Amino acid sequence: ETGVTQTPRHLVMGMTNKKSLKCEQHLGHNAMYWYKQSAKKPLELMFVYNFKEQTENNSVPSRFSPECPNSSHLFLHLHTLQPEDSALYLCASSTSGGLVEQYFGPGTRLTVT
Amino acid sequence: GDSVTQMEGPVTLSEEAFLTINCTYTATGYPSLFWYVQYPGEGLQLLLKATKADDKGSNKGFEATYRKETTSFHLEKGSVQVSDSAVYFCALSARQEAGTALIFGKGTTLSVSS
Repeated sequence: ETGVTQTPRHLVMGMTNKKSLKCEQHLGHNAMYWYKQSAKKPLELMFVYNFKEQTENNSVPSRFSPECPNSSHLFLHLHTLQPEDSALYLCASSTSGGLVEQYFGPGTRLTVT
Repeated sequence: GDSVTQMEGPVTLSEEAFLTINCTYTATGYPSLFWYVQYPGEGLQLLLKATKADDKGSNKGFEATYRKETTSFHLEKGSVQVSDSAVYFCALSARQEAGTALIFGKGTTLSVSS
């Protein structure tokens, strides 16, 4: 399944670094999502973009900054992260209607040291 | 608010055993329901879905029926294989608005031994 790709797959960064996660979807969808998956916690929605416009920010700290330049690409810019931000970051996409399934990328495993 | 509750794991089975993972939901209106599977080191893959009451979703030998009267969407498989070992997530989408995020259960880990 290569409909949604994410790079890098693994990332180790220090607390003072700045890095970016990239997501690209090849499914012709118009909605894109960032989720955070931490050990022993439910999947957490972070951001939603619909037709490049941010429609939901789930009280995410400002050290996470999303960017959606077009309907196929989604970025998550990271700066001044904390060790508790270590997690698997998942990108997903869907058609823009409601009540529909989402398609996920393989995730970026982030470790903050 | 809308929510999904699924049985706590881990579920440990022998190969060829029958599998049931329970999922119940709370939602206003008529949600769409999904099961996703996550293999180690990978993202979530859509396993099956159902969009209205009494619909049965099925894929790869897995089945789940949308039961509105019991607000349930239990996942079943008649004969599990070692390769089915993974984490299974029940999810719903309850809003018609564009770009609506899914609401997930906490996940159930399935471990199948030969």
